[in-house]
Amino acid sequence: EVQLLESGGDLVQPGGSLRLSCAASGFTFSGNSMSWVRQAPGKGLEWVSVINHAGGGIVYRDSVKGRFTISRDISKNMLFLEMNSLRAEDTALYFCAREVPAAGTQPFDLWGQGTMVIVSS
Amino acid sequence: EIVMTQSPATLSFSPGERVTLSCRASASISSSLAWYHQKPGQAPRLLISGASTRATGIPARFSGSGSGTEFTLTISSLQSEDFGVYSCQQYNNWPLTFGQGTRLEIK
Repeated sequence: EVQLLESGGDLVQPGGSLRLSCAASGFTFSGNSMSWVRQAPGKGLEWVSVINHAGGGIVYRDSVKGRFTISRDISKNMLFLEMNSLRAEDTALYFCAREVPAAGTQPFDLWGQGTMVIVSS
Repeated sequence: EIVMTQSPATLSFSPGERVTLSCRASASISSSLAWYHQKPGQAPRLLISGASTRATGIPARFSGSGSGTEFTLTISSLQSEDFGVYSCQQYNNWPLTFGQGTRLEIK
């Protein structure tokens, strides 16, 4: 079955750290750029970061630059998001999402179910 | 950052009716526009890419149009399973941005 499964979300204090993971299965993981997208409770979707099929081409939204690090392990079909210096405004459901495999930036044709991150004291 | 604005915020229609949702970009994004459908507690599902191309498995009652800054998603004959939130997304510029969503309620 083609799927993405996120894990690692938790309740963490402001200033704390978390590492999110996303396990891919059922497709050639090395063939797609992957992103993290988050959704705060009751809010719209917000793109966080992207990494290309080879592990390069990394881009972050400004609000997470210097605090979040995206990476992938192609040998294990895994995507990661290392989050440091967490803030209350980082509280959200974090989705990993697969880009449509085509040239250039593309929309997301496969999403996981998300993992919840709550930043609160 | 390109701001995506969706209107209206909420819609309520009966099954069988035709529904039109709008999405406006704060700057031209050519045809780099996608539409997603999200039900409560579920992940988004890609409906339309390239402003008008239906994704795999998406019924023909869904159609998209527009280019530049003005885009439309039309559901030709609303089905009960179409309730939920519809979001547009531009992928022409970084950062990628989404609209705030239009909630579609079934009467």
